[in-house]
Amino acid sequence: DAKTTQPPSMDCAEGRAANLPCNHSTISGNEYVYWYRQIHSQGPQYIIHGLKNNETNEMASLIITEDRKSSTLILPHATLRDTAVYYCIVRVVGTQGGSEKLVFGKGTKLTVNP
Amino acid sequence: DSGVTQTPKHLITATGQRVTLRCSPRSGDLSVYWYQQSLDQGLQFLIQYYNGEERAKGNILERFSAQQFPDLHSELNLSSLELGDSALYFCASSRLPGLAGGSSYNEQFFGPGTRLTVL
Repeated sequence: DAKTTQPPSMDCAEGRAANLPCNHSTISGNEYVYWYRQIHSQGPQYIIHGLKNNETNEMASLIITEDRKSSTLILPHATLRDTAVYYCIVRVVGTQGGSEKLVFGKGTKLTVNP
Repeated sequence: DSGVTQTPKHLITATGQRVTLRCSPRSGDLSVYWYQQSLDQGLQFLIQYYNGEERAKGNILERFSAQQFPDLHSELNLSSLELGDSALYFCASSRLPGLAGGSSYNEQFFGPGTRLTVL
């Protein structure tokens, strides 16, 4: 499984952009990068995913470097409700049809301060 | 609310006992996943079922087993419980697992979890 490395914690001021980095230097050519977040002890929540192009949705933007060895999740205007643990995941899809597992690392604890 | 329900919310039991955790996926979702989250191990994938069949296995102990029923709900059975089994157990569901190389992604929707305490 491709491994991801994230800083254990980050702080961000409310209203500012939060930029969360992730290293995935062993990613294969057809593996996607996924981001989930977990607020307190709730179930994780999907944010965004990408292969090699930058992606944007209503929650966040994902910037993937040209060599695909790292990516950055951007929350453009962080709010207090964005305080959570953010997980960067390289998705593992098995050879057996219909198999998939998400391998979570330790993630980054983002604290948004007022 | 993700649409995934898990029961019970909390479970307290003793070592050596057996418990069953239940998960109802979102309407229309065919795939169910189980995860364990403990303080020392983090969030770990246990097992996946797709339309009633086991499809992927993670670090699931032999004392643990799961199944997905024809109505697509799933149960995780934990037996000969040990103190170290105390954890949050999450169930997730997705419409279909994603296909290798595909840009479309059937995201996993997580339930609120069952907190298991083994005394």
